[in-house]
Amino acid sequence: DADVTQTPRNRITKTGKRIMLECSQTKGHDRMYWYRQDPGLGLRLIYYSFDVKDINKGEISDGYSVSRQAQAKFSLSLESAIPNQTALYFCATSDSGQGAPYNEQFFGPGTRLTVL
Amino acid sequence: GEDVEQSLFLSVREGDSSVINCTYTDSSSTYLYWYKQEPGAGLQLLTYIFSNMDMKQDQRLTVLLNKKDKHLSLRIADTQTGDSAIYFCAEIKGSARQLTFGSGTQLTVLP
Repeated sequence: DADVTQTPRNRITKTGKRIMLECSQTKGHDRMYWYRQDPGLGLRLIYYSFDVKDINKGEISDGYSVSRQAQAKFSLSLESAIPNQTALYFCATSDSGQGAPYNEQFFGPGTRLTVL
Repeated sequence: GEDVEQSLFLSVREGDSSVINCTYTDSSSTYLYWYKQEPGAGLQLLTYIFSNMDMKQDQRLTVLLNKKDKHLSLRIADTQTGDSAIYFCAEIKGSARQLTFGSGTQLTVLP
């Protein structure tokens, strides 16, 4: 079973709709991240959470919100989707513990979102 | 990811060496990374280098770090078709130690 899972894997929606993307992990990591990937732009950080009570904005948080429901779950919401939010969205996790000094991040398989 | 720069495309023949280059911005980055993204999948850490090293070798992979020029490179020896993927350079930035990714280099291995 995958350590980091994302649902749905694909979603097509219309402008103005509210969308939630979900991420779950079984790695026991405390840190979780949401990125979006656009061709030629690499990955850009939307939000990150270092524990359940710690939520931080990333580089491109406008138009998005997040919820860390538990250590293992981190969801991303688009309150009113717009076409330029069409992208590939990735969730990632990492461990802040002493056994992970180099901050490796583990990625989910991605959610392809299309906003018409 | 605009602060970390990579060329977008690279094509090589099977069996040749591939060299993917990256320039980064934060001279205080303690670790620099190469992630690999295969088609339809998320990113996976390929290798990393600590900032006090100039070179790291791991089987077919060689990472070179030039801190003076803030330049990082990944060399893949004897490139195979299975190496076709997007390769991302990344650095740690800021007090929150966030990863900042480059735009990614699409490596195509031709038969």
